Amino acid sequence: NAGVTQTPKFQVLKTGQSMTLQCAQDMNHNSMYWYRQDPGMGLRLIYYSASEGTTDKGEVPNGYNVSRLNKREFSLRLESAAPSQTSVYFCASSEVLAGETQYFGPGTRLLVL
Amino acid sequence: GENVEQHPSTLSVQEGDSAVIKCTYSDSASNYFPWYKQELGKGPQLIIDIRSNVGEKKDQRIAVTLNKTAKHFSLHITETQPEDSAVYFCAASKGNTGNQFYFGTGTSLTVIP
Repeated sequence: NAGVTQTPKFQVLKTGQSMTLQCAQDMNHNSMYWYRQDPGMGLRLIYYSASEGTTDKGEVPNGYNVSRLNKREFSLRLESAAPSQTSVYFCASSEVLAGETQYFGPGTRLLVL
Repeated sequence: GENVEQHPSTLSVQEGDSAVIKCTYSDSASNYFPWYKQELGKGPQLIIDIRSNVGEKKDQRIAVTLNKTAKHFSLHITETQPEDSAVYFCAASKGNTGNQFYFGTGTSLTVIP
């Protein structure tokens, strides 16, 4: 099992450009999440998907959209990137939504110039 | 929402000594408290977790204690080894619909050989 995989590993964007971060899990988990990690601020939830077909906002959703393409895949889209979105993005999954271990991918490092 | 505070932000110990990291939370409804270890360039990995119906849990050199009354929980690492050097995050979750994990800001642990 590969667990949680993310692509790309690193990306540089110019302000205003768009991009989609891809995430896939092979653990048959129902719930998936997107976090951003900034120095000194820990991990903050952007969006999550409790199950296939549902998505909900987390703590910092502004400037992002998500798509739960199927049970395996959960993508994060930046429509018009801003320097404030420079961060490391982590995707995670868990078997169910409530109080269960989340498994994290290796992260995507995004730099917006 | 929940507020999780984590201390210290950096910690250096000699190999073989013990390390203690403390977290406090604000929402008394939180009932699931995982600890994650993040090595450089990788995603966080669960190392131990505790639920609110338990006061202490051990796994070899790692232990977690929970004081629900005081709303704090701690990670204890005994007989530290250089490979324990990493950033450690605590988190709190209500374990219900929405299962947002609220993360602490992290502790950078360095074990000096």
